[in-house]
Amino acid sequence: AQSVAQPEDQVNVAEGNPLTVKCTYSVSGNPYLFWYVQYPNRGLQFLLKYITGDNLVKGSYGFEAEFNKSQTSFHLKKPSALVSDSALYFCADSTLTFGKGTMLLVSP
Amino acid sequence: NAGVTQTPKFQVLKTGQSMTLQCAQDMNHNSMYWYRQDPGMGLRLIYYSASEGTTDKGEVPNGYNVSRLNKREFSLRLESAAPSQTSVYFCASSEEGHLKLFFGSGTQLSVL
Repeated sequence: AQSVAQPEDQVNVAEGNPLTVKCTYSVSGNPYLFWYVQYPNRGLQFLLKYITGDNLVKGSYGFEAEFNKSQTSFHLKKPSALVSDSALYFCADSTLTFGKGTMLLVSP
Repeated sequence: NAGVTQTPKFQVLKTGQSMTLQCAQDMNHNSMYWYRQDPGMGLRLIYYSASEGTTDKGEVPNGYNVSRLNKREFSLRLESAAPSQTSVYFCASSEEGHLKLFFGSGTQLSVL
């Protein structure tokens, strides 16, 4: 069974609005969780990671993610979306398992 | 700093042909990985190498072999290509276990 899951294939948001890309996990114990971004025809780029400590993790390009143990979630967020944020986003864990990806489309 | 370099970028094979995908990293990382990316399937781990001289199977190793030639290089070989191996292949490396992966730009492989 997959240890991370991304329930949405696609998320649409207007530029300037806040965005959330969802991820849930099922790893037991204290999970290590990650977000990566893939722009068209490129490899994946690391955005941020949660190892321990503060539940709100800040990463590259203004993204942040909130670890919620009670809801077993690690959602990616950004207060104000940019058109250039349009890309494929992957959640992953330390077992080298990636979610299926969520396409984020930000409209002007 | 080139990071992770994969060759070739594109390849078309006929069923039954063999080929080797090359990967090299210049970041002195211990761990290296091969993934395949298919629509609707996300990334699936084929093989990984935690350190020079060691390799381990991932989720989908059948039909593939790997060689960790030295610390820099980690190759993926298809001995007898099948249409089901049509995919985009990514190599990655990591310096601190599996905590932050650096990816190459991928090899798009089509098997006819």
